[in-house]
Amino acid sequence: AQKITQTQPGMFVQEKEAVTLDCTYDTSDPSYGLFWYKQPSSGEMIFLIYQGSYDQQNATEGRYSLNFQKARKSANLVISASQLGDSAMYFCAMREPFSGSARQLTFGSGTQLTVLP
Amino acid sequence: DGGITQSPKYLFRKEGQNVTLSCEQNLNHDAMYWYRQDPGQGLRLIYYSQIVNDFQKGDIAEGYSVSREKKESFPLTVTSAQKNPTAFYLCASSPLKTSGGAEMETQYFGPGTRLLVL
Repeated sequence: AQKITQTQPGMFVQEKEAVTLDCTYDTSDPSYGLFWYKQPSSGEMIFLIYQGSYDQQNATEGRYSLNFQKARKSANLVISASQLGDSAMYFCAMREPFSGSARQLTFGSGTQLTVLP
Repeated sequence: DGGITQSPKYLFRKEGQNVTLSCEQNLNHDAMYWYRQDPGQGLRLIYYSQIVNDFQKGDIAEGYSVSREKKESFPLTVTSAQKNPTAFYLCASSPLKTSGGAEMETQYFGPGTRLLVL
């Protein structure tokens, strides 16, 4: 079974609008961390935001926020006021510190976001 | 500035040849990682190291080897045993939380190396 599922291979959004990128995960660990990374065409992976399984509030970092619904095992990324520079591939990832290879990050297959002018 | 550097940016390998990808970090991070990314896919872990002179296999270690002689450096060798080496290779590092909160360890990535087979 997939540990991280991103069901949207591609998304389009109009500049200045908000967009939600979906991510669901599967784990039996009580303690885990969820991460979102941005990968522009240059290839570098840029860390955006982190959510811990015990965090009571949704994480926010500037225009990025994470809609964390623990019971549904979803961790959707919300980008507000989209900019042309937001066009990139976005990856959801999870760390389960007590399972498998310690400290391994498991990545989803990504969502290609295109911001339209 | 602190960061992770990878070299070269592009690397060409001939059949039967071993090639080595460089990864250096000056973030004083204990842990370092190598990932492989194929077109249109996510990242898969090749090897990781938590301390000097120690490293562990990831999900796709066959055909690869690593060393960790210095904290700052974690080179990856793609051996001739790796039959399909064409991919984008990313190196990452992270601090280690030795007392709880390991799930919080954020990995920071280098700019990557594209390996092509001639």
